[in-house]
Amino acid sequence: QKEVEQNSGPLSVPEGAIASLNCTYSDRGSQSFFWYRQYSGKSPELIMSIYSNGDKEDGRFTAQLNKASQYVSLLIRDSQPSDSATYLCAHKRFSGGYNKLIFGAGTRLAVHP
Amino acid sequence: NAGVMQNPRHLVRRRGQEARLRCSPMKGHSHVYWYRQLPEEGLKFMVYLQKENIIDESGMPKERFSAEFPKEGPSILRIQQVVRGDSAAYFCASSLTPNQPQHFGDGTRLSIL
Repeated sequence: QKEVEQNSGPLSVPEGAIASLNCTYSDRGSQSFFWYRQYSGKSPELIMSIYSNGDKEDGRFTAQLNKASQYVSLLIRDSQPSDSATYLCAHKRFSGGYNKLIFGAGTRLAVHP
Repeated sequence: NAGVMQNPRHLVRRRGQEARLRCSPMKGHSHVYWYRQLPEEGLKFMVYLQKENIIDESGMPKERFSAEFPKEGPSILRIQQVVRGDSAAYFCASSLTPNQPQHFGDGTRLSIL
């Protein structure tokens, strides 16, 4: 089992719809979770971080964390073609005296007009 | 631009040659991380360095790969005797402290002929 699992996609949604991206993780002790957006050929860009159970909203983005189910998700409301990218889920694992960032393989999102 | 700077952006090498990838962290950041990304995959941690010290190299292949972060100058990821399987995007990230968010550079795309 991979430490961070994501559906590779592509997830295709129409413009204006809600895109729902999901991620599961295996480390029950993990406390910090992140969503990065990566456009093709570009660097990952941090868009959301979440540390406690529940929802965290930032503009059109909402991150949801359920530690009991070891599940974290990202909702994108009013999806735009410019949201088309790969979304990487990551968590921090304490290892070797510091928190190591562990990534999933990413989910490709395609928003079509 | 005060972001993480990586160069070159693209590097082509023939099998058996050496590849040197450079990373200048954000101003004031003394923690540097190298990741490798194969096509359609997430980022895989390779090594974590502070100035003049390797903190964690658990993700680095045991042979042909080395990394340094000297007191002066950029961090260097060095791959000796490259093989086709080394073809990937190599990303560098830096942070202010080990537990602060990591900021990524635009990566070096390494192609092996």
